[in-house]
Amino acid sequence: DVKVTQSSRYLVKRTGEKVFLECVQDMDHENMFWYRQDPGLGLRLIYFSYDVKMKEKGDIPEGYSVSREKKERFSLILESASTNQTSMYLCASSTTGQIYGYTFGSGTRLTVV
Amino acid sequence: QKEVEQNSGPLSVPEGAIASLNCTYSDRGSQSFFWYRQYSGKSPELIMSIYSNGDKEDGRFTAQLNKASQYVSLLIRDSQPSDSATYLCAISDRGSTLGRLYFGRGTQLTVWP
Repeated sequence: DVKVTQSSRYLVKRTGEKVFLECVQDMDHENMFWYRQDPGLGLRLIYFSYDVKMKEKGDIPEGYSVSREKKERFSLILESASTNQTSMYLCASSTTGQIYGYTFGSGTRLTVV
Repeated sequence: QKEVEQNSGPLSVPEGAIASLNCTYSDRGSQSFFWYRQYSGKSPELIMSIYSNGDKEDGRFTAQLNKASQYVSLLIRDSQPSDSATYLCAISDRGSTLGRLYFGRGTQLTVWP
């Protein structure tokens, strides 16, 4: 089975902290994505990457950065956490050609207090 | 921005009935179409994909695609309480090999015994 693993299921952080969310996939997928999901707003794309050291801004990149040093790992960084970044964060991966859709990780529910 | 619209919910059907979920999209060049199921507090899981006009059946699920009308639907026959979830429609980026999907906001389905 394709596995996309997010390092934490629940996180509580303080305002102003630097937060790292980690995502690892084991299927040699080229593409990796970070979304946040909020009630009534659906899934919103933050950043994605189609290759090692490559990154592309999604629809809501402000306040976030990403790192992809290895093909299997894609990290989301909240430079200075704020309460409006309290959300469910979902990592996903896919293969190039996009005929199989995404595989999602189990999600990280982040609360910023 | 590519628009993906789903029929507003929540949708409530009795056990054994057919649940019909609908989705329209704005980009006529979209190539691949997916339905994801998301249980409360969990991440989305892929349940159906469809690429050609017509119907595709998998067990109790049937996906229907009409590219001329820019419409994709999901029918769930013999609905079960375990089908209660939010269903997300997703479409692929036009001609893209990068694999970005665009999601609707989802339709919440409740199947009551």
